[in-house]
Amino acid sequence: EAQVTQNPRYLITVTGKKLTVTCSQNMNHEYMSWYRQDPGLGLRQIYYSMNVEVTDKGDVPEGYKVSRKEKRNFPLILESPSPNQTSLYFCASSRGTDDQETQYFGPGTRLLVL
Amino acid sequence: QKEVEQDPGPLSVPEGAIVSLNCTYSNSAFQYFMWYRQYSRKGPELLMYTYSSGNKEDGRFTAQVDKSSKYISLFIRDSQPSDSATYLCAMRGTGGFKTIFGAGTRLFVKA
Repeated sequence: EAQVTQNPRYLITVTGKKLTVTCSQNMNHEYMSWYRQDPGLGLRQIYYSMNVEVTDKGDVPEGYKVSRKEKRNFPLILESPSPNQTSLYFCASSRGTDDQETQYFGPGTRLLVL
Repeated sequence: QKEVEQDPGPLSVPEGAIVSLNCTYSNSAFQYFMWYRQYSRKGPELLMYTYSSGNKEDGRFTAQVDKSSKYISLFIRDSQPSDSATYLCAMRGTGGFKTIFGAGTRLFVKA
C-alpha cells in the first residue's frame, strides 16, 4: 500500500528540548515536503526536498532543520523548540512531474511545546 | 496581503446543491493549481490538479483557473454529506516546489 508515515503522531515536549519527527514514504517519490497547519492560516510549507541531498526553504523555515540522506526519509528537526512551534505537522511526498501532481500527505503529527 | 486568499466559511448547503469554492491569488508566476480535501483529523488528499488556465472535470468535481483574473474555482455538483470537509486551494510556480496554500473553506452538506 502506497503511504507516507510519520512518527510520533502526538508529542508533548518542553521548550528547548531537541526533537525529531520522522517521515518515510514507500512510493520512490523524489519530492518531499514538510508543512505546518494552524487555525486560520491553512498549510504553510516549512521545507521541501527535490531529491537526496537537495533541500530548500518554504514559507516558514525559521526554527526548523531537515535532511534528505535517503530518498524515502525526510526527518524534521526542531533543535530548540518554542511554544510558537505548537502546531499540526504534515509530511508529504510527490512524483512531481510537470504534467501531473500527485502529492500524498502523511497522517499528521500533533506537537505541543510547553 | 496574503499571496492566496480563501474564504474560511463555514459554508452550509443542502444535499444535492451545487457548491462553488474560490480562491484569489496575487502572484502571476503561479502555474500549477490544486484543490485538496481534508477530513477532520486526517491529512489533505489531492482532489484536482490543473496546469495553467482552463477547466478540468472529474466526476462531480470541476476545477477552473482564470489566470487573467487570478481566480480559481472548484465546483461540486450533486453535493453529498460525505463531501463535508475542509477544501484547500494550493498553487506553485515552475522551477521549484514551493507551494502556497489557502486557509481552507469548511463545507457542511446537510442531508
